[in-house]
Amino acid sequence: AQSVTQLDSHVSVSEGTPVLLRCNYSSSYSPSLFWYVQHPNKGLQLLLKYTSAATLVKGINGFEAEFKKSETSFHLTKPSAHMSDAAEYFCVVKGGKLIFGQGTELSVKP
Amino acid sequence: NAGVTQTPKFRILKIGQSMTLQCAQDMNHNYMYWYRQDPGMGLKLIYYSVGAGITDKGEVPNGYNVSRSTTEDFPLRLELAAPSQTSVYFCATQSLAAGNTIYFGEGSWLTVV
Repeated sequence: AQSVTQLDSHVSVSEGTPVLLRCNYSSSYSPSLFWYVQHPNKGLQLLLKYTSAATLVKGINGFEAEFKKSETSFHLTKPSAHMSDAAEYFCVVKGGKLIFGQGTELSVKP
Repeated sequence: NAGVTQTPKFRILKIGQSMTLQCAQDMNHNYMYWYRQDPGMGLKLIYYSVGAGITDKGEVPNGYNVSRSTTEDFPLRLELAAPSQTSVYFCATQSLAAGNTIYFGEGSWLTVV
């Protein structure tokens, strides 16, 4: 069985401060993990993916995530938030099926 | 190369009507998925397929049916539409050979009244 839990439904940061979006997963398989972003009324855009290569994965727009098997976590970070980062973020795990987390809404204050 | 094509993009149905959401891909991907996304919520897996002739239930299959007679097409059928099926539907495909990248369609907005 596989599941993914995004630990925060909403995160609010000030522009220029770090971003941390937390994701924990469980999978019977050696998983592939993804982070997607969705801006209002838009489709889903891939930020980054982990597929059993380097544990620290760099993505687009300055985002990165670290795969920690011992903690079953795949948290998304960015050193400095920008107003355009405000969106919904989804952590996704693929073992057999492809399962989405419930999403974390990121707000960025000026 | 069209990628993943979903049709229709928008549809209004009356309660009890039936319809089929079409999903077609031209990338020869084995895996295909159907998700629904309710307002302010995440994506829930309805059905998925690991190849032609093989389908399986996801998290929320009730009220839906699928078929996968070819690699390219993965239609989603609503037999008796209910207001609870008002949602945005996304089709996705994935190939193991492509480093597990997932490709999404643009979504189908369905309203049941």
